[in-house]
Amino acid sequence: NAGVTQTPKFQVLKTGQSMTLQCAQDMNHEYMSWYRQDPGMGLRLIHYSVGAGITDQGEVPNGYNVSRSTTEDFPLRLLSAAPSQTSVYFCASSSRGELYNEQFFGPGTRLTVL
Amino acid sequence: GQQVMQIPQYQHVQEGEDFTTYCNSSTTLSNIQWYKQRPGGHPVFLIQLVKSGEVKKQKRLTFQFGEAKKNSSLHITATQTTDVGTYFCARGSTLGRLYFGRGTQLTVWP
Repeated sequence: NAGVTQTPKFQVLKTGQSMTLQCAQDMNHEYMSWYRQDPGMGLRLIHYSVGAGITDQGEVPNGYNVSRSTTEDFPLRLLSAAPSQTSVYFCASSSRGELYNEQFFGPGTRLTVL
Repeated sequence: GQQVMQIPQYQHVQEGEDFTTYCNSSTTLSNIQWYKQRPGGHPVFLIQLVKSGEVKKQKRLTFQFGEAKKNSSLHITATQTTDVGTYFCARGSTLGRLYFGRGTQLTVWP
């Protein structure tokens, strides 16, 4: 199993550009989430999904869109990038078996917005 | 807020010294999870605590959950250079959500 994969690893955007961060998992996990990590801030939840076709907002959803058409994929879209979105983005997945389960994280995408 | 508070933000120790990071919440926690992130890496799950007063050990790491379920700690005995990284506590919520503390960055000098 590859686990959770993310592409690209690095990306530089100009203000106003759009892009999609890709995330895929091969563990058949129902739950998937996106987090952003900024220095000294820990990880903050952007959006999450409990299954195909179902998504909801986390702590810091503004400026980001998500969709989940399949169990495996959970892309994160930046419609008009801003410098404040410079961050490291992690995708994570977990199973629905127990009430609280460990999350498996992807390797991250390091995004710089100029 | 929904976050948990974690201290200290940084800790520098010499190899062989002990290390402790603390996680506190103003509300009762249903569970606490601990993750380790190596420099340049991604968070990796270490353990989950759910019971009041629970203590779990993993080799040199000891995890505790307070009696009131409002605090938790991670203690590393006799640190090694392989322990370097940032340790996060996180409150697990329903539907696969996690709310992280800000982490403690551990540096170990040889």
